Amino acid sequence: GAVVSQHPSWVICKSGTSVKIECRSLDFQATTMFWYRQFPKQSLMLMATSNEGSKATYEQGVEKDKFLINHASLTLSTLTVTSAHPEDSSFYICSARDRSRRDEQFFGPGTRLTVL
Amino acid sequence: SQKIEQNSEALNIQEGKTATLTCNYTNYSPAYLQWYRQDPGRGPVFLLLIRENEKEKRKERLKVTFDTTLKQSLFHITASQPADSATYLCALDIPATTGTASKLTFGTGTRLQVTL
Repeated sequence: GAVVSQHPSWVICKSGTSVKIECRSLDFQATTMFWYRQFPKQSLMLMATSNEGSKATYEQGVEKDKFLINHASLTLSTLTVTSAHPEDSSFYICSARDRSRRDEQFFGPGTRLTVL
Repeated sequence: SQKIEQNSEALNIQEGKTATLTCNYTNYSPAYLQWYRQDPGRGPVFLLLIRENEKEKRKERLKVTFDTTLKQSLFHITASQPADSATYLCALDIPATTGTASKLTFGTGTRLQVTL
């Protein structure tokens, strides 16, 4: 099956700093990537949809200036959490939709962000 | 707005028994529904997809049913094993508004624990 990787798998940072998370589709091209956030014992909540070469579409309540998304190529999307605060601590998961397989969406292993 | 509920937050069953998980949704008629498995600290892993014109789908020890009248899907694991212990998520693909991709929206999840 298709593989999606995320880097880093975990990160600890100080409050006020920015953190960048990378999401890569390793063996397929993804015109659309998605970023989710998951708090403990809760389900995945969609933050934004990222389309290659265009601006991301953010879900209601997600600050686009705080969560910067760049989808520069068909295999890479990045999420930058700017001026991170402790309440941003969460599990961030990306997923990618294979352009050749319309209905299938593949998920990365997630990135655990802890803001001190 | 779309609401997806998995009626059991947690389910404990004995090894060898059949586990049955429920997913109910409102305000939408999806073309298909998906089930995922998520282990602690990991991203979701795709298990099965069932379309609106399919009543039932099987994959090894897994069986999914889809009742579009009741707006409900049932997920069964037969001959359950301790290795099946995980959180199981159902997900619906919500169609896009003009110019945006459709979005996979997750249910609340059911944490299954299979004991010896």
